[in-house]
Amino acid sequence: AQSVSQHNHHVILSEAASLELGCNYSYGGTVNLFWYVQYPGQHLQLLLKYFSGDPLVKGIKGFEAEFIKSKFSFNLRKPSVQWSDTAEYFCAVSGSSNTGKLIFGQGTTLQVKP
Amino acid sequence: NAGVMQNPRHLVRRRGQEARLRCSPMKGHSHVYWYRQLPEEGLKFMVYLQKENIIDESGMPKERFSAEFPKEGPSILRIQQVVRGDSAAYFCASSPTIGQGVDEQYFGPGTRLTVT
Repeated sequence: AQSVSQHNHHVILSEAASLELGCNYSYGGTVNLFWYVQYPGQHLQLLLKYFSGDPLVKGIKGFEAEFIKSKFSFNLRKPSVQWSDTAEYFCAVSGSSNTGKLIFGQGTTLQVKP
Repeated sequence: NAGVMQNPRHLVRRRGQEARLRCSPMKGHSHVYWYRQLPEEGLKFMVYLQKENIIDESGMPKERFSAEFPKEGPSILRIQQVVRGDSAAYFCASSPTIGQGVDEQYFGPGTRLTVT
């Protein structure tokens, strides 16, 4: 069955700490991978995406993610978080040959303490 | 360019009533997706539509739920005879097309349905 698993449900960090959010997926075939962020009171926004090519993807606001095909993983990283990064983060996958529907993980709530 | 618009933002219905959720995609987008987020869960795909066509409804409950995207006007997600378990946030997303490299979906603010 197609699924996405995010290891951490709730993460609390201090400002300037490094961040890594885990994401593993189960999906047959070629995949497209996404990280979305939802800031408090706002709608989901795309942080970054991977379709093909360089497995290290850089997104907005200093975020990056690495696609490791052998591990079925697409972990999100940021070297130094800010208070404004407090939000909910969702990993998602879609199949390259399907209708484009996204399969989401459960989400990780990140709280950054000033 | 206005983003994806959804209304109402909050909707309260009594059990047995009907709920109608509207989604206006971004200008120029002809693909609409509906997702549901139950409390403490991630978003779950419900249905994918193009103008006047349902392309993939594999995530839609078999009864009481329907969706349309007419030639003119917004996409509508309709829930008949709502039950408490339908209480959730319903998100709409649109994209200009599908295919490699253009699969980004733009999300609306969601409609929070509460069934009392």
